[in-house]
Amino acid sequence: KNEVEQSPQNLTAQEGEFITINCSYSVGISALHWLQQHPGGGIVSLFMLSSGKKKHGRLIATINIQEKHSSLHITASHPRDSAVYICAVTPTQGGSEKLVFGKGTKLTVNP
Amino acid sequence: EAQVTQNPRYLITVTGKKLTVTCSQNMNHEYMSWYRQDPGLGLRQIYYSMNVEVTDKGDVPEGYKVSRKEKRNFPLILESPSPNQTSLYFCASSFGTGTGELFFGEGSRLTVL
Repeated sequence: KNEVEQSPQNLTAQEGEFITINCSYSVGISALHWLQQHPGGGIVSLFMLSSGKKKHGRLIATINIQEKHSSLHITASHPRDSAVYICAVTPTQGGSEKLVFGKGTKLTVNP
Repeated sequence: EAQVTQNPRYLITVTGKKLTVTCSQNMNHEYMSWYRQDPGLGLRQIYYSMNVEVTDKGDVPEGYKVSRKEKRNFPLILESPSPNQTSLYFCASSFGTGTGELFFGEGSRLTVL
């Protein structure tokens, strides 16, 4: 079983819809990252979280450390939000700086 | 401009011919790392470095070497490439994965024939 599970794997929405992508993990962590990868490959960091909630424009990320769960929300979705969204965690075990990735959620927003 | 620069962006090579993919960052980051991305498997960590002369294995280090002689550079070396190393490679840097935003290079698409 992968240490980081994302759901759904694929998501299709209409422009303007509210979107939620989920990430669950099975290990203790020091941080969780949400990344965005557009077609063509480049990866951009959206958020780094260790507790609570962060907001940037139409994007909101939350994390519940006790439940080992994080969500990425997109309000008023737009076709330019179409991308793969990747969750990654830094496990606390061993004091290392490893990163463990989920397999990504492919989001398509139709006009 | 803050950036992570990888070269080459695209490379086709043959089995056994040593190659190096360079990675350089201009943000004075301590942490640098290499990942490979394959369909169905997602991103996987190859090696990472917490500072000069400090490197550690990720989840898939076999067939790769790295060095960190200077803070800004973290080259990935394939001593004897094999077809199963055909992949999309990303370098990233930050002040620390538990403390700082990750900055990624644009990726290097490697094909080993």
